[in-house]
Amino acid sequence: EAGVTQSPTHLIKTRGQQATLRCSPISGHTSVYWYQQALGLGLQFLLWYDEGEERNRGNFPPRFSGRQFPNYSSELNVNALELEDSALYLCASSPGREVYGYTFGSGTRLTVV
Amino acid sequence: AQSVTQLGSHVSVSEGALVLLRCNYSSSVPPYLFWYVQYPNQGLQLLLKYTTGATLVKGINGFEAEFKKSETSFHLTKPSAHMSDAAEYFCAVSPSGAGSYQLTFGKGTKLSVIP
Repeated sequence: EAGVTQSPTHLIKTRGQQATLRCSPISGHTSVYWYQQALGLGLQFLLWYDEGEERNRGNFPPRFSGRQFPNYSSELNVNALELEDSALYLCASSPGREVYGYTFGSGTRLTVV
Repeated sequence: AQSVTQLGSHVSVSEGALVLLRCNYSSSVPPYLFWYVQYPNQGLQLLLKYTTGATLVKGINGFEAEFKKSETSFHLTKPSAHMSDAAEYFCAVSPSGAGSYQLTFGKGTKLSVIP
């Protein structure tokens, strides 16, 4: 069974640009979660999508947005990139709304220069 | 609101020695509790979880953790450290039941194993 896949593995962008990160959940999983792991800040909850809708978001500005497609894959968009957006972005999926089925992908390393 | 405190950002043990990583949580409702491990340049892998039932939980790679409600703790242990255990470990909590969709993580403990 394929795990959670994220692309790209690494992404380098210039301040002010937009970044798009992608996540494919495990087959059969309908919920997708996004977390930011920035140096010194730990893992911060970003967004939760379930059945195509945004269900909850963490304490991040609106320039962090995303969507979930009919096949349950997800996209995270970060607009107007700032240097402090440099981080590892982790996607996780679960079979439904219960969190004890979380499986993480390997992440996308975003570097803003 | 929930929070997780991991005591010690960096722990060093000798190969073959006991591993003890500490986690205390704060939650207004009965929690679900988790330990994850992260190897360099990789995502998080679930080691073990407590949801209900037996408070001593066994996980992968010989790790176990005990949920102690009175102490609001969920410490991770392994009797004998192996070099391959060197990694960063994260404790996480979520509220149990409906709406338990979000994990709150501790800041992590980096484990070094000395040969």
